[in-house]
Amino acid sequence: NAGVTQTPKFQVLKTGQSMTLQCAQDMNHEYMSWYRQDPGMGLRLIHYSVGAGITDQGEVPNGYNVSRSTTEDFPLRLLSAAPSQTSVYFCASSYTPVSPVNEQFFGPGTRLTVL
Amino acid sequence: AQKVTQAQTEISVVEKEDVTLDCVYETRDTTYYLFWYKQPPSGELVFLIRRNSFDEQNEISGRYSWNFQKSTSSFNFTITASQVVDSAVYFCALSEAWNYGGSQGNLIFGKGTKLSVKP
Repeated sequence: NAGVTQTPKFQVLKTGQSMTLQCAQDMNHEYMSWYRQDPGMGLRLIHYSVGAGITDQGEVPNGYNVSRSTTEDFPLRLLSAAPSQTSVYFCASSYTPVSPVNEQFFGPGTRLTVL
Repeated sequence: AQKVTQAQTEISVVEKEDVTLDCVYETRDTTYYLFWYKQPPSGELVFLIRRNSFDEQNEISGRYSWNFQKSTSSFNFTITASQVVDSAVYFCALSEAWNYGGSQGNLIFGKGTKLSVKP
């Protein structure tokens, strides 16, 4: 199992550009989520999905879109990048509800800089 | 509302010292999970432990131990005989028990404690 994979590892954008951060997992997890990490702020939830076709907003959703067309993939889209979106982005996934364990597996992160 | 507070922003110790990282949480739920993650300088998030709200037993794993006290809403993490490799940012996190279709799987993170262990 590759676990949770994220691409790219690093990205530099100009203000106003758009891009998609990719996230994939091969563990058949139903739950997937995106977090951003900013200095001194911990990790904050952007969007999450409890299954294919179902997404919802987290704590800081503005400026980001998501979709979940398959169980495996959960891309995060920035439609018009802003310097405030400079951050490290982590994708995570976890087991289905039938498991009593709620451990989340994290990808390696994408470091995004918006100039 | 759920909240996790890690009051210690940075801690610096000398190798072989013991160090305790504090975590205080707030939740109205009776069933919840608590986590600790380690983020070394390389940046990845490493899962350390998960605790459910019905299990208040302390846990020890090698040099690591965790003290969960519901009475004080705390889940503190102690490293015994610290080593340079323990230098990292440590995050405490909270989630509600899972119910399908809900947001309960989401993690609420503290802001982290940066631990520096000097040789």
